[in-house]
Amino acid sequence: DTAVSQTPKYLVTQMGNDKSIKCEQNLGHDTMYWYKQDSKKFLKIMFSYNNKELIINETVPNRFSPKSPDKAHLNLHINSLELGDSAVYFCASSQRAGGTDTQYFGPGTRLTVL
Amino acid sequence: DAKTTQPTSMDCAEGRAANLPCNHSTISGNEYVYWYRQIHSQGPQYIIHGLKNNETNEMASLIITEDRKSSTLILPHATLRDTAVYYCIVRVGATPLVFGKGTRLSVIA
Repeated sequence: DTAVSQTPKYLVTQMGNDKSIKCEQNLGHDTMYWYKQDSKKFLKIMFSYNNKELIINETVPNRFSPKSPDKAHLNLHINSLELGDSAVYFCASSQRAGGTDTQYFGPGTRLTVL
Repeated sequence: DAKTTQPTSMDCAEGRAANLPCNHSTISGNEYVYWYRQIHSQGPQYIIHGLKNNETNEMASLIITEDRKSSTLILPHATLRDTAVYYCIVRVGATPLVFGKGTRLSVIA
């Protein structure tokens, strides 16, 4: 009964390719996020969706496009992959309660661009 | 940028209490203190959070100073499985988490 799941766990691809990472949560949460953890281990927010609507879009190249078909899913599509896109990508979800929330993270997708 | 300062690393003997400090001297009145941890190769895991009162749950205790400028996360009986990077984060409302460098806790047998 995994709460936040991501597929694939590992993704190795060539520069210039287009790839997608999928995220699903079965917690009934309204908000989902994508975070990126680079080689220096810094975790940074990329996007946030609330009820399928984009509410946060940090300074991320246009090659990255999140898509939320429903509240339980937030997929990340990346066009024209570059070497610098190599990182671990984490999906998270949360439900706001009392003005704050707790975020639950998926296991991560390790993307390697060759 | 992270608004917190944490030691880079700490060691703790297995079975002993691990006390992880965090400075957040510029915290504002409506900001909560959150603690997350990241065990190697896994996603971050929520531990505990608080506003001004001390908090305790099944994982840890959070002690916040009266002026709220610093806090301490206490793992009462550290085990090898508690070896991880611990992040102290201050945030208002349900905003995205801003992770700093955290403290790498090594629990030693």
